[in-house]
Amino acid sequence: NAGVMQNPRHLVRRRGQEARLRCSPVKGHSHVYWYRQLPEEGLKFMVYLQKENIIDESGMPKERFSAEFPKEGPSILRIQQVVRGDSAAYFCASSPPDRDGETQYFGPGTRLLVL
Amino acid sequence: KQEVTQIPAALSVPEGENLVLNCSFTDSAIYNLQWFRQDPGKGLTSLLLIQSSQREQTSGRLNASLDKSSGRSTLYIAASQPGDSATYLCAVRGRTSGTYKYIFGTGTRLKVLA
Repeated sequence: NAGVMQNPRHLVRRRGQEARLRCSPVKGHSHVYWYRQLPEEGLKFMVYLQKENIIDESGMPKERFSAEFPKEGPSILRIQQVVRGDSAAYFCASSPPDRDGETQYFGPGTRLLVL
Repeated sequence: KQEVTQIPAALSVPEGENLVLNCSFTDSAIYNLQWFRQDPGKGLTSLLLIQSSQREQTSGRLNASLDKSSGRSTLYIAASQPGDSATYLCAVRGRTSGTYKYIFGTGTRLKVLA
């Protein structure tokens, strides 16, 4: 069984470019979460999605960031017009249809470097 | 609002020592608590998951306890080894947040000296 897959693992962008981060959840999982880890900081929740729905985006920056989880294909975290402060590790996690106590399975992360 | 604190922020010990990492959280209404290991530049490795109804979990040299009423968890590492050197993260999954996100502590950076 494949775990959560994220690609690319490393991404370099120049200021002003767009970054697209992809997350393929564990097979059968319909819930996806994105977290961001800034340098020397802990992981912070960004957004929680179910298929075709954004459930909680309370951790998403108000501008330039968007996320989707279409009916088919991976979840995408999109960052427009990147700035140096966007440099971080972005982790995706997935879980099955929620049950009390169910855990989330984390991917290996995408490390974004903005030059 | 749930807040998770980990103490100490960093720890350096000689090989062979038993050690305790601490995690505290402000809202005791949780689904579960999980301990992770993170190596530099790497992803998260799940170590132990404790459900809200449980008091402790064990895996090899690791033992994690949970005291919901006091908002505390400890990770006990027996007979530490240089390979245990990493950052250890505590995360809680809350009931009252309205969603099912994890709230992470900032971690304890452990260095085990040979």
